[in-house]
Amino acid sequence: KQEVTQIPAALSVPEGENLVLNCSFTDSAIYNLQWFRQDPGKGLTSLLLIQSSQREQTSGRLNASLDKSSGRSTLYIAASQPGDSATYLCAVRSSGGGADGLTFGKGTHLIIQP
Amino acid sequence: DVKVTQSSRYLVKRTGEKVFLECVQDMDHENMFWYRQDPGLGLRLIYFSYDVKMKEKGDIPEGYSVSREKKERFSLILESASTNQTSMYLCASRHSGGAGVTDTQYFGPGTRLTVL
Repeated sequence: KQEVTQIPAALSVPEGENLVLNCSFTDSAIYNLQWFRQDPGKGLTSLLLIQSSQREQTSGRLNASLDKSSGRSTLYIAASQPGDSATYLCAVRSSGGGADGLTFGKGTHLIIQP
Repeated sequence: DVKVTQSSRYLVKRTGEKVFLECVQDMDHENMFWYRQDPGLGLRLIYFSYDVKMKEKGDIPEGYSVSREKKERFSLILESASTNQTSMYLCASRHSGGAGVTDTQYFGPGTRLTVL
């Protein structure tokens, strides 16, 4: 059964710093990996989706990488801003059978200090 | 702009009541999903639907059922609500068989359900 782990669980950094969030998954048989952002009490906003055949995706100050063989992904946030404060969730869509939803990590709670 | 809406943001029900959570998407997506989110457990898949009138159990279907009579609407039903079903419920939709960004799963704002 697919398991997704996110490290660290929480992170607090000063504004302007570049930072990296980590995600690992146990089964490399995946269609894709998706990064989401969740603000308190709200739903999820999709940030980036990386197909299994891709190595990275970029959107503005965000860059996500995928190393499928080692079961790892990173989300890089450049020049962090207080508005980036949120919980960041990593999720994989497995191709190895079973339920066809996403398997989520428990998230990284990010605080950017002004 | 893509949109997934859920009928209620907050809901309070009593133990034993039948509860309906409604989700509507306007993107003509074939696939729809219900998740629940709990502190320390993260998001877990309850049920999903490939298309109209089609449904599959997710990881935690016990105590829930679903209905999909129209493509745009997916309902989650708690036949007899219990206190351990107090949670945040999130609906999502996705284009079927897509590649690239069309495989993105879009989420609604969530319904925070409290069962007393």
